[in-house]
Amino acid sequence: NAGVTQTPKFRVLKTGQSMTLLCAQDMNHEYMYWYRQDPGMGLRLIHYSVGEGTTAKGEVPDGYNVSRLKKQNFLLGLESAAPSQTSVYFCASSYSWLTAKGNSNQPQHFGDGTRLSIL
Amino acid sequence: GENVEQHPSTLSVQEGDSAVIKCTYSDSASNYFPWYKQELGKGPQLIIDIRSNVGEKKDQRIAVTLNKTAKHFSLHITETQPEDSAVYFCAASIVAAGNKLTFGGGTRVLVKP
Repeated sequence: NAGVTQTPKFRVLKTGQSMTLLCAQDMNHEYMYWYRQDPGMGLRLIHYSVGEGTTAKGEVPDGYNVSRLKKQNFLLGLESAAPSQTSVYFCASSYSWLTAKGNSNQPQHFGDGTRLSIL
Repeated sequence: GENVEQHPSTLSVQEGDSAVIKCTYSDSASNYFPWYKQELGKGPQLIIDIRSNVGEKKDQRIAVTLNKTAKHFSLHITETQPEDSAVYFCAASIVAAGNKLTFGGGTRVLVKP
């Protein structure tokens, strides 16, 4: 199993350009997440999805859109990139808490990130 | 919303010594607390987690303790080795809230040979 795969690994954009980051997981996880990681600030949740066709806002959703058309894929879009969106982006996935014995939260599995620079 | 504070931000230890990282959380409804290790150029990897119905959990050289009353939890690494050098993150989550995690700011651990 590949786990969580993110493409591309690196990208440089100019201000105002658009792009889509792709996340794919092969673990049949119900939940998927997009985080950004900035120096000294840990990981902050951008958007997440609890199932195919559903998305919800996280802590820092402004300037981003997401789509989950297939269970295994979660796309993060930047419509008009800004320098403040320079960051490392991580995708993660997990089982639903409903699928676990005792209905408890399940660990999130992370990809290796996309390093995005916006000039 | 939930707020997680993590200390220290950097930690340097001699090989063989112990390392302790502490986190506090604000939302008393949080009941799941994972710890992640992140190596350079890689994504975070789960190393241990604890749920609010237990006070301590151990896995070889790694242990986590949880004090629900004080709303803090700690990671203990014993007999540190150079390969333990990495950035460690704590996180907190409320069951059924989409498994959403709130992360601490991270601790950079350096194990000196």
